[in-house]
Amino acid sequence: DGGITQSPKYLFRKEGQNVTLSCEQNLNHDAMYWYRQDPGQGLRLIYYSQIVNDFQKGDIAEGYSVSREKKESFPLTVTSAQKNPTAFYLCASRGGRQGGTRLFFGSGTQLSVL
Amino acid sequence: SQQGEEDPQALSIQEGENATMNCSYKTSINNLQWYRQNSGRGLVHLILIRSNEREKHSGRLRVTLDTSKKSSSLLITASRAADTASYFCATDARENTDKLIFGTGTRLQVFP
Repeated sequence: DGGITQSPKYLFRKEGQNVTLSCEQNLNHDAMYWYRQDPGQGLRLIYYSQIVNDFQKGDIAEGYSVSREKKESFPLTVTSAQKNPTAFYLCASRGGRQGGTRLFFGSGTQLSVL
Repeated sequence: SQQGEEDPQALSIQEGENATMNCSYKTSINNLQWYRQNSGRGLVHLILIRSNEREKHSGRLRVTLDTSKKSSSLLITASRAADTASYFCATDARENTDKLIFGTGTRLQVFP
């Protein structure tokens, strides 16, 4: 099955703890993205990566970090500096460096604070 | 910042009626896309319209684009209860085609 897989589906974070959300794709896509969605809201871009070992900040990068060591993987770490991390996190990918192509999304990770 | 604002925020209709959602954006774009999201799930791509196109159809979907007004509309004809979802527009800004920026979304409820 080709697609994009996010895990876990639900994640709980304790105060002061860093947590990492996994995103893996087997679509051979160059570009990968992380979005945050708050209840009843649109998607806001956290980080994106167009190529291995390179990534750029989106609109709300503070309190988050990413890595892109492999083409198929783009994990997101929510650090203790992110004071309001409760949200639905969506990972996406698309082929090609230029725009004009569709995004493929994972099924999301719901992060909550204990 | 979010590139698009959608209108209305929420829409409730009966099965068989048409649903129209509007999207306005701020900067020049290369193309605009519409996505659908069922509650608690990832987004699914519906349709893409390029900046040099004015209208596009896909099944029961009709999308229009007016670049002079920086706006787009999505029309779903003969709606079904299964169309109940949130709908988002997304744009590739001309000055940075690497980023796809989403609007705020319209929540559509179709009653049987």
